[in-house]
Amino acid sequence: DGGITQSPKYLFRKEGQNVTLSCEQNLNHDAMYWYRQDPGQGLRLIYYSQIVNDFQKGDIAEGYSVSREKKESFPLTVTSAQKNPTAFYLCASSWTGTGAEKLFFGSGTQLSVL
Amino acid sequence: SQQGEEDPQALSIQEGENATMNCSYKTSINNLQWYRQNSGRGLVHLILIRSNEREKHSGRLRVTLDTSKKSSSLLITASRAADTASYFCATEASGSARQLTFGSGTQLTVLP
Repeated sequence: DGGITQSPKYLFRKEGQNVTLSCEQNLNHDAMYWYRQDPGQGLRLIYYSQIVNDFQKGDIAEGYSVSREKKESFPLTVTSAQKNPTAFYLCASSWTGTGAEKLFFGSGTQLSVL
Repeated sequence: SQQGEEDPQALSIQEGENATMNCSYKTSINNLQWYRQNSGRGLVHLILIRSNEREKHSGRLRVTLDTSKKSSSLLITASRAADTASYFCATEASGSARQLTFGSGTQLTVLP
């Protein structure tokens, strides 16, 4: 089955803890993205990557970090500096990230604070 | 920043009726896309319309784009209960880094 796999589906974070959300794709896409979705709202871009070993900040990158060591993987770390991390996190990919492309989304990770 | 804003925020219709959702945006765009999201799931791409296109069809979906009014509409004809979902427009601004900006969505409920 081709697609994007996000794990875990649900994640809980304690105060002061870093947590990492996994995103893997087998679509052979160059570009990958992380979005945050708050209840009743649209998606906001956290980070994106158009090529291995390179990534760019989106609109709300503060308190988050990413890596792109492999084409198929783009993990997101929510650091303790992110004071309001409770949200639904969506990973997506596209062929090149150079415009006029549709995005393919994973099924999301719901992060909550204990 | 939110580029696209959908209207209405929520829409409830009977099965078989048509559903129309609108999206307004602020700056010039290269293209506009519509996505669907079932509750607690990821988004699914529906249709992409480029700035030089005025109308596009895909099955029961019809999308229009009016760049002079900076607005787009999504029409779902002969709606079904399975169409119940949130619908989002996403714009790729002209001269941008080619990243999409999503609106806040329209929650569509189709009653059987």
